[in-house]
Amino acid sequence: GAVVSQHPSWVICKSGTSVKIECRSLDFQATTMFWYRQFPKQSLMLMATSNEGSKATYEQGVEKDKFLINHASLTLSTLTVTSAHPEDSSFYICSAEGLVIRNEQFFGPGTRLTVL
Amino acid sequence: KNEVEQSPQNLTAQEGEFITINCSYSVGISALHWLQQHPGGGIVSLFMLSSGKKKHGRLIATINIQEKHSSLHITASHPRDSAVYICAVEAGNQFYFGTGTSLTVIP
Repeated sequence: GAVVSQHPSWVICKSGTSVKIECRSLDFQATTMFWYRQFPKQSLMLMATSNEGSKATYEQGVEKDKFLINHASLTLSTLTVTSAHPEDSSFYICSAEGLVIRNEQFFGPGTRLTVL
Repeated sequence: KNEVEQSPQNLTAQEGEFITINCSYSVGISALHWLQQHPGGGIVSLFMLSSGKKKHGRLIATINIQEKHSSLHITASHPRDSAVYICAVEAGNQFYFGTGTSLTVIP
């Protein structure tokens, strides 16, 4: 099946710094990518929908200036957590929807962010 | 071999039918999630389970930790239940996802 990678798989940073997480579709083109986060002991929460070449659509309650999403190509979307704080510590997961097979999503392995 | 296997891959049902989607996994998990995706939309979390059974409206999810198996049931199915249902497990510091079950409920 199609492969989606995320980098880094885990990151620790100091409060106030910015962290960039990459999501790549390795063997297919993705018109749409989704970003999720998971708080401890809770389920996945959709943060935003990212379409190649256009601005991301953020879910209610998600700060777009805090979580910057860029979908510059059909194989790469990035999520930048700006001025990270300890409450941003979470597990961030992306998924990519294929260009050819719509409605079929492939998930990345996730990125564990810890903000000290 | 995938860590998470779902069956069936595709399912068509008549409105009102009772539907079961199965998920088997091969890793030790701390939790299992059932997710739903409507066409063109993002993922919505239906359930998070670590044991037993949960019910929400017409949806029921069960998990058997010993057998490493979970089922999602939909009672009195409706066309608006048409969606892709995905099983995902948390194992250590990672998620593993099933490939999804595409459900179509016909009026």
